[in-house]
Amino acid sequence: EPEVTQTPSHQVTQMGQEVILRCVPISNHLYFYWYRQILGQKVEFLVSFYNNEISEKSEIFDDQFSVERPDGSNFTLKIRSTKLEDSAMYFCASRDDRSYEQYFGPGTRLTVT
Amino acid sequence: QQQVKQSPQSLIVQKGGISIINCAYENTAFDYFPWYQQFPGKGPALLIAIRPDVSEKKEGRFTISFNKSAKQFSLHIMDSQPGDSATYFCAASPGNNRKLIWGLGTSLAVNP
Repeated sequence: EPEVTQTPSHQVTQMGQEVILRCVPISNHLYFYWYRQILGQKVEFLVSFYNNEISEKSEIFDDQFSVERPDGSNFTLKIRSTKLEDSAMYFCASRDDRSYEQYFGPGTRLTVT
Repeated sequence: QQQVKQSPQSLIVQKGGISIINCAYENTAFDYFPWYQQFPGKGPALLIAIRPDVSEKKEGRFTISFNKSAKQFSLHIMDSQPGDSATYFCAASPGNNRKLIWGLGTSLAVNP
């Protein structure tokens, strides 16, 4: 069964460093999303991406964040200068254009020290 | 208006019992209501979802009840099993980009 994959599973970085979180969505999906989940809290929408551009972003997704689809399979989230409060689980999700169902990857745990 | 309120925060049920989790929303633009199941250290997994044109949807032991006028929807897990012990999230989505607005989650423990 196709699935969304994410790498790395755990990333530890120092405050101020840049991180890139990688996702491989399901191959025939056209809509891509990033969400984050701070430990013990609810999942929060960050950004949606369609047709090679951001279609919507939340207020969390400020100038420190960017997304890219560098090739036909990967979808990345970059945080330019990490802060302590960026520590969270980051989930990538994708869906096709025929349904509303979003499928999530296993997540990347980002720890900023 | 963008919030989805979920209750209870935690739930303990005996094996074989019925687990009921409730969610409420304000935004009438929401038109898709999924439930996700999450095990520790894993990503959310889609369990079941409903559109507002039906009042109930059943898949196996899982049922969503939807009350459009009250802007409420609930998840019922029949014959709850210890393997159902997980965190359950309701979510809602408005049109267009289909971003998901999430409830706070319910930690379900099913005792053997």
